[in-house]
Amino acid sequence: GESVGLHLPTLSVQEGDNSIINCAYSNSASDYFIWYKQESGKGPQFIIDIRSNMDKRQGQRVTVLLNKTVKHLSLQIAATQPGDSAVYFCAETHSGNTPLVFGKGTRLSVIA
Amino acid sequence: DAGVIQSPRHEVTEMGQEVTLRCKPISGHNSLFWYRQTMMRGLELLIYFNNNVPIDDSGMPEDRFSAKMPNASFSTLKIQPSEPRDSAVYFCASSGLYEQYFGPGTRLTVT
Repeated sequence: GESVGLHLPTLSVQEGDNSIINCAYSNSASDYFIWYKQESGKGPQFIIDIRSNMDKRQGQRVTVLLNKTVKHLSLQIAATQPGDSAVYFCAETHSGNTPLVFGKGTRLSVIA
Repeated sequence: DAGVIQSPRHEVTEMGQEVTLRCKPISGHNSLFWYRQTMMRGLELLIYFNNNVPIDDSGMPEDRFSAKMPNASFSTLKIQPSEPRDSAVYFCASSGLYEQYFGPGTRLTVT
C-alpha cells in the first residue's frame, strides 16, 4: 500500500546492524503509544506498544523507549534483517478506544 | 483469529459510480476505525465507532462519504458519487482496549 508523503525520512542500515527509528509526538496528554510496521501492499502491522507509566519495553528483537520529558519515542531493532525493510509509524493516543494519531513514518531500508 | 477482514481488496470504478467498502472487525473488539491513506496525506482517520455507534466523523471528506455499522461484526464505507480524488487505500481497523489492528486495505481507483 502507499505509505506517506513525498518527503518520507529514510534510514538505511546494513544487515545485522542495529536500527534506531525516532519519533516526536505532539500531545503531552497522550498515555499510550504504538509502533507499526507497514510493508508494501499491506496494512500497518502492530509491533510493540508502551504506556506512559513506563520508559522502556522490550519485545523480540525490538525495544521501545519513551521520554515523556521531551515527548520522544524511539524504536530499536536489533540485528536488522532484510525482512525489516518497511515504513515504520509511531502512533499516540489518550485513553483507550480513541483514535490513534499517526506520525508521518520513516522508511527503513536494509542493505544486504 | 482471521484478523480484520476487508473486501474488496481492489476496486476500480468510473467517476460518478457508487462504491461500497466492507469490513469485518476482530471478534470481541468494540471499536472500529476507517482510515484513508495516500502518498500526499499519509494515514487519515475518516470515522470511528464505539459499540456500533459513530463517535467522530469529522474526518469524512464530505457528504459523498457515509459509514454504517449495523452490528458488531460488520461495517461499510460508502462513496456516492465517487470522484478521481477519492483514489486511495482505505483501511479498516478494530480495537479492544488500546491497540488497533488493521485490515489489509482496499485499493480504490476512480477513473
